[in-house]
Amino acid sequence: ILNVEQSPQSLHVQEGDSTNFTCSFPSSNFYALHWYRWETAKSPEALFVMTLNGDEKKKGRISATLNTKEGYSYLYIKGSQPEDSATYLCAFPNTDKLIFGTGTRLQVFP
Amino acid sequence: NAGVMQNPRHLVRRRGQEARLRCSPMKGHSHVYWYRQLPEEGLKFMVYLQKENIIDESGMPKERFSAEFPKEGPSILRIQQVVRGDSAAYFCASSRDRGRNSNQPQHFGDGTRLSIL
Repeated sequence: ILNVEQSPQSLHVQEGDSTNFTCSFPSSNFYALHWYRWETAKSPEALFVMTLNGDEKKKGRISATLNTKEGYSYLYIKGSQPEDSATYLCAFPNTDKLIFGTGTRLQVFP
Repeated sequence: NAGVMQNPRHLVRRRGQEARLRCSPMKGHSHVYWYRQLPEEGLKFMVYLQKENIIDESGMPKERFSAEFPKEGPSILRIQQVVRGDSAAYFCASSRDRGRNSNQPQHFGDGTRLSIL
């Protein structure tokens, strides 16, 4: 059974704090790793698709790194803002389908 | 808006009725995926379709659930004789290229929230 684990399950930070969370995935037969941002009552929004070991991607204050050998990816948010409050999902493609982690729920307090 | 369109946003059915959920993929996308989020759980894959073909239905319950993606029109997820346990949010996603061959993300709709009375 393919397992994608995310930690922590939830996170509360103050506005301006930087934060990071982890996604662990099977290191064998790696193809890609997806990160999504999911606000309540909206659709999951794609942040990054990472494919290469050592890859680092950035989108504004959000960045992600990838280690395919040990099977983990980190998502970083620099200077968190209340609008960053959302659930952050990672997903591991297995054949054509995505296997999602249960997400990290981030709340940023003003 | 050329995004993935799902309707209805909310659907209420009584036990034993049928539920039909619709999904129009993004323009130019011919690959459609359905996912389900049960209460207090994450997103779980149900079925992957291309035009007129079911490619992978490994996540579909064996009975009462079916999906199609006809040559013309939206993809339909159909649940017959609904039960309380079918209450969930159903999300559709689409992609331009086949999942296994692509480093492109899947694009999601806003979901249909199905409630069974």
